[in-house]
Amino acid sequence: AQSVTQLGSHVSVSEGALVLLRCNYSSSVPPYLFWYVQYPNQGLQLLLKYTSAATLVKGINGFEAEFKKSETSFHLTKPSAHMSDAAEYFCAVSDQAGNNRKLIWGLGTSLAVNP
Amino acid sequence: GAGVSQSPSNKVTEKGKDVELRCDPISGHTALYWYRQSLGQGLEFLIYFQGNSAPDKSGLPSDRFSAERTGGSVSTLTIQRTQQEDSAVYLCASSFLLSEQFFGPGTRLTVL
Repeated sequence: AQSVTQLGSHVSVSEGALVLLRCNYSSSVPPYLFWYVQYPNQGLQLLLKYTSAATLVKGINGFEAEFKKSETSFHLTKPSAHMSDAAEYFCAVSDQAGNNRKLIWGLGTSLAVNP
Repeated sequence: GAGVSQSPSNKVTEKGKDVELRCDPISGHTALYWYRQSLGQGLEFLIYFQGNSAPDKSGLPSDRFSAERTGGSVSTLTIQRTQQEDSAVYLCASSFLLSEQFFGPGTRLTVL
């Protein structure tokens, strides 16, 4: 079985500060890992994904994440927060094998960016 | 833009009524997923369709929930005898084979 834990349901940073959103996963098979963002009143949008190529993954809007197998982590970072980054962020895991890529989700982290 | 569309965007119903939620996937996408987003439960997988294969229904919470996908395209999620705990945002996603999932805007269901 797979599971995702996002540490911190709410994170607040100042504009220009480092953003760090934490995600730990549990999987008995090699995983694919994803970060999605949900802006207010909008649908889910893929930020970035790990699919067993490079362990450091770069995504849209300046975000990146590093897959660390030894720590079973896939934390999301951005060097400098912007007001427009305020949103809900979800980490998700799926199987690499098999023909079903259903996503197992964390509970989400709400990011607030203060001026 | 030919993204995933869902209808209705909002649905308010009375407890015990049946509801149908519709999803129009991106043209050419072979896979279609339904998820539910509710307070306290987060996002949960409900059901998955891939081409002509039998759907994976392992995430459906009860036999009141069913879904079909006609002609490999449009999908309808049906909830019979709705209960208050069914209140949630129902999200549909589609993908080409096993690639990235693209999500629709969701249907917000409120059961009174």
